[in-house]
Amino acid sequence: QKEVEQNSGPLSVPEGAIASLNCTYSDRGSQSFFWYRQYSGKSPELIMSIYSNGDKEDGRFTAQLNKASQYVSLLIRDSQPSDSATYLCAGASGATNKLIFGTGTLLAVQP
Amino acid sequence: EAQVTQNPRYLITVTGKKLTVTCSQNMNHEYMSWYRQDPGLGLRQIYYSMNVEVTDKGDVPEGYKVSRKEKRNFPLILESPSPNQTSLYFCASIGNRGKTEAFFGQGTRLTVV
Repeated sequence: QKEVEQNSGPLSVPEGAIASLNCTYSDRGSQSFFWYRQYSGKSPELIMSIYSNGDKEDGRFTAQLNKASQYVSLLIRDSQPSDSATYLCAGASGATNKLIFGTGTLLAVQP
Repeated sequence: EAQVTQNPRYLITVTGKKLTVTCSQNMNHEYMSWYRQDPGLGLRQIYYSMNVEVTDKGDVPEGYKVSRKEKRNFPLILESPSPNQTSLYFCASIGNRGKTEAFFGQGTRLTVV
């Protein structure tokens, strides 16, 4: 069974701090990785995609990919209470377009 | 505006009464997928479709059917719903050309009593 694993949390950080979310995956054939934010009862919203090793920055968000270690992370700088949500990591095989989701990490940003 | 539209948003039904959840996308994507989301289990794929008239089972297909008669629509059919199909359902439309970014519908919260 190909898996994507995340710590379920909750991860609690104070407002203004850096939140670090981590994810590991088992399928070495995965080529693309994504971070989705999901508020309770709402649909997942894509916030970052990363396709190659290294860092990718977009505003307060930085995604990091290390294919040798099969590890993906998301850093959120200057965390805000509005960032409080569940963050889903997903990996996709380039051949099949199938997305495998982790179970998500609940982030709580304390004012 | 790029959109995936799912209906209904909420549905309460009784065991055995056939129902259909509709999903439509306006992005001309070939790949569409249905997921269910349950506490502690994350998003699990029910069925997917790689193009018109091409569908295949995901990880949890039992009790579900789908069809893909046209590119934009991908309905999910529960022929005889059971209480263990009570869940939050999401339709997703996935980008082409290696950009496997999924766009989700608003979700359907289904309760089977």
